[in-house]
Amino acid sequence: DVKVTQSSRYLVKRTGEKVFLECVQDMDHENMFWYRQDPGLGLRLIYFSYDVKMKEKGDIPEGYSVSREKKERFSLILESASTNQTSMYLCASRPAATYEQYFGPGTRLTVT
Amino acid sequence: QKEVEQNSGPLSVPEGAIASLNCTYSDRGSQSFFWYRQYSGKSPELIMSIYSNGDKEDGRFTAQLNKASQYVSLLIRDSQPSDSATYLCAVNGAFGSGTYKYIFGTGTRLKVLA
Repeated sequence: DVKVTQSSRYLVKRTGEKVFLECVQDMDHENMFWYRQDPGLGLRLIYFSYDVKMKEKGDIPEGYSVSREKKERFSLILESASTNQTSMYLCASRPAATYEQYFGPGTRLTVT
Repeated sequence: QKEVEQNSGPLSVPEGAIASLNCTYSDRGSQSFFWYRQYSGKSPELIMSIYSNGDKEDGRFTAQLNKASQYVSLLIRDSQPSDSATYLCAVNGAFGSGTYKYIFGTGTRLKVLA
């Protein structure tokens, strides 16, 4: 079974704080993704990575950065959290050879 | 802007009936299509993938793909209350850098009435 884990299920942070969300997968997948999901807007891609130290901007990268120092770990960083970044954050991974993508349990982040 | 469209619902069906969920996509070059189930407060779970025109069956689920008409559907036979969830359609689109990203629909909420 593919296992994608995320560091926290629920997180509450204050405006202006630096926030780290971590994602780990145990299936040696090359590709990893960060999404946010908001009611009525669906899933939107923030960043993805197709290899260690490689990253690509998704549809809504503003206010976020990412880090991938090891193949199994992909971190999302909110440099200075704002209330409009309150959302459900979902990490996903996928092997290079297939198109089937698997999600972690999600982190519900609230910025107050 | 490449898009994936789904009716938001809710789609209500009685227990034991067939639920039919539909999705249309705009990028004619799309090659891979997926259905995810998402329970309230949980993350999406992959339930079906389909790559060729026609039907693909897996248990009570059947995915149908028609590339000429640019739609993909999911049929759930013998619907159960536990099937009540939001169903997301996803389409694989080229992104450049030799890789691909998904484009998701906003989902259809299914309610199976006991």
